[in-house]
Amino acid sequence: AQSVTQLGSHVSVSEGALVLLRCNYSSSVPPYLFWYVQYPNQGLQLLLKYTTGATLVKGINGFEAEFKKSETSFHLTKPSAHMSDAAEYFCAVTKNTGFQKLVFGTGTRLLVSP
Amino acid sequence: DTGVSQNPRHKITKRGQNVTFRCDPISEHNRLYWYRQTLGQGPEFLTYFQNEAQLEKSRLLSDRFSAERPKGSFSTLEIQRTEQGDSAMYLCASSSGSPRSYEQYFGPGTRLTVT
Repeated sequence: AQSVTQLGSHVSVSEGALVLLRCNYSSSVPPYLFWYVQYPNQGLQLLLKYTTGATLVKGINGFEAEFKKSETSFHLTKPSAHMSDAAEYFCAVTKNTGFQKLVFGTGTRLLVSP
Repeated sequence: DTGVSQNPRHKITKRGQNVTFRCDPISEHNRLYWYRQTLGQGPEFLTYFQNEAQLEKSRLLSDRFSAERPKGSFSTLEIQRTEQGDSAMYLCASSSGSPRSYEQYFGPGTRLTVT
């Protein structure tokens, strides 16, 4: 079975500060990992994904994440927060073969203050 | 490419009533997924279609829930005899059937409130 743990249901940063959202996964097979963002009353938008290859992946809006197999982590970072980054962020894992349902974490709400 | 669309966006119903939601995936995508998201939680998988075949169902999908995807195009999710615990956001996603396609594209969701 696969699972995702997101540490911190809420993270607060000041505009311009570093954003760090934590994600740890559990998977018995090589995982594919994703970060999604959700704005209020909207669906989920894919920020970035790790499948194979380079472990540091870059996504939209200046976000990036690093896959660390030894730590079973896939933390999301952004060097400088913008007010528009305030949203709910979900980490998700899926298998690398066959049917691919996404297993999500409980989410982290990012709050950005001026 | 208009993305994944879902209708209605909001539905308020009384306990015991039946409701039906519709999802229109991205036109060339042959895989379609339904998820449910309750307040403060991440989305949870409900069911999966490849073309018109329903290949996987979660244990969350009780007998009151049924999903169809006739002709492998749009999909409907019906909930019979709704209960207050069914109140949630119902999300639909689609993906390409190509072997190296792993991205699921989500619709805006249908928010169900059962009173």
